[in-house]
Parts: sequence; structure tokens; C-alpha cells
Amino acid sequence: KAGVTQTPRYLIKTRGQQVTLSCSPISGHRSVSWYQQTPGQGLQFLFEYFSETQRNKGNFPGRFSGRQFSNSRSEMNVSTLELGDSALYLCASSLVPATNTEAFFGQGTRLTVV
Amino acid sequence: AQTVTQSQPEMSVQEAETVTLSCTYDTSESDYYLFWYKQPPSRQMILVIRQEAYKQQNATENRFSVNFQKAAKSFSLKISDSQLGDAAMYFCAYRNYGGSQGNLIFGKGTKLSVKP
Repeated sequence: KAGVTQTPRYLIKTRGQQVTLSCSPISGHRSVSWYQQTPGQGLQFLFEYFSETQRNKGNFPGRFSGRQFSNSRSEMNVSTLELGDSALYLCASSLVPATNTEAFFGQGTRLTVV
Repeated sequence: AQTVTQSQPEMSVQEAETVTLSCTYDTSESDYYLFWYKQPPSRQMILVIRQEAYKQQNATENRFSVNFQKAAKSFSLKISDSQLGDAAMYFCAYRNYGGSQGNLIFGKGTKLSVKP
């Protein structure tokens, strides 16, 4: 069974640009969550999707957005990139949200904003 | 709001010995889940062990066990017979039971080094 796949693995963007990151969950998983990991702030929750609906959103500006498709694949978009958006973006999938079922993580997308 | 605190930024253990990583949390909820995740240099977060708050029995997974003290809001991880492959960042995480707040709340992490 394939794991959570995040693409691309690495990305370099310029300030002011926008970026789209992709996450393909494990087959059969319908819940996808996104996290931002930085050395200073640690792991912070961005948003959670289930059945194409955003269930929960973290404390991030509106420049951060996401969506989920009917096949459960998810994308997150960051517009007007700032230097502080440089981070590892992790995606996690689970069968359903808010349970004790394991959340499986991808290897992340390393975004560098220059 | 719930918070998770890991007071040990770095820990070191000799191979084959035992080490305990500390975690405290704050919540007003009575039902929730607690997790320990491992993040090796490959960056992929791997679930080590989980604990349901309503279960009094401490969870155990092979060489990994927890000491869950609900009243004290403490959730420490004990690694027995440490191996070189245990070297990684370890994150303690909290998750509400049900509702809309289903996201994981992580501590800042503890970097574990294993000496041969």
C-alpha cells in the first residue's frame, strides 16, 4: 500500500510569488491535514479536510488556502509568499478525522522563499 | 486552548540503556488522545505510541512505553534498550476527542542522540 505522497519534495520561490503543494493520501483515507514546521514555531496546524470540506483551520493568514478533491487528494496554496513562509510543509492522512486512528505523514515539501 | 510542552530540547542516551522523554499538556477536556511521534532525518513523522485518555493502563509498544498521569497532565515516553536507529526528534502530540478540533497539537520536540 503506497504511503502519503507529497509533491514536490523541494521548492524554491521568490517573495511575492505563489505556490501550490500537493498531497495524495493513502488509498481509502478521506481525511487530510496540513502542518507547517519551522525551527522557531515548531509544528503548527494549517487546515484539515474531509470529504472535500474544510473541517478545521489553524491560525494562519488568508494567504494560506487549501482544497480537497473528490479522490481525497489535497492541495494547499500560499499566495504572495513572504520570507517567513520558508518551512517544511507536512501532510497527514487518516481514515476519518478526530479519532484515535493513526495519522500517516508524508515526507513533506521543503519550501524556501528567497 | 490546548498546549503541549516538552521541556527537554535535547537528550542523550547510551546504546542499550533506557531514556525517558518528558511531556506535559494543558486541556480542559476529559476525553482526548495523546501521541508520541518520531521524526528521523528523512523528515517523515512516524507514530511511536498512542494513549487514549479514558484508558488508565499505560500504552506499550515493544521497547516503547508511556507513563500517563492524567491528573498531573503528564505523558512521558520511556525507550528501553536504546538503539542507534532511535536517534531522531521526538514530538509529543495532543488531539481532542471528536468535534471540529480534530487537529494534532505538537510540542516543540526533543532531539534524542544515541551514543554507541
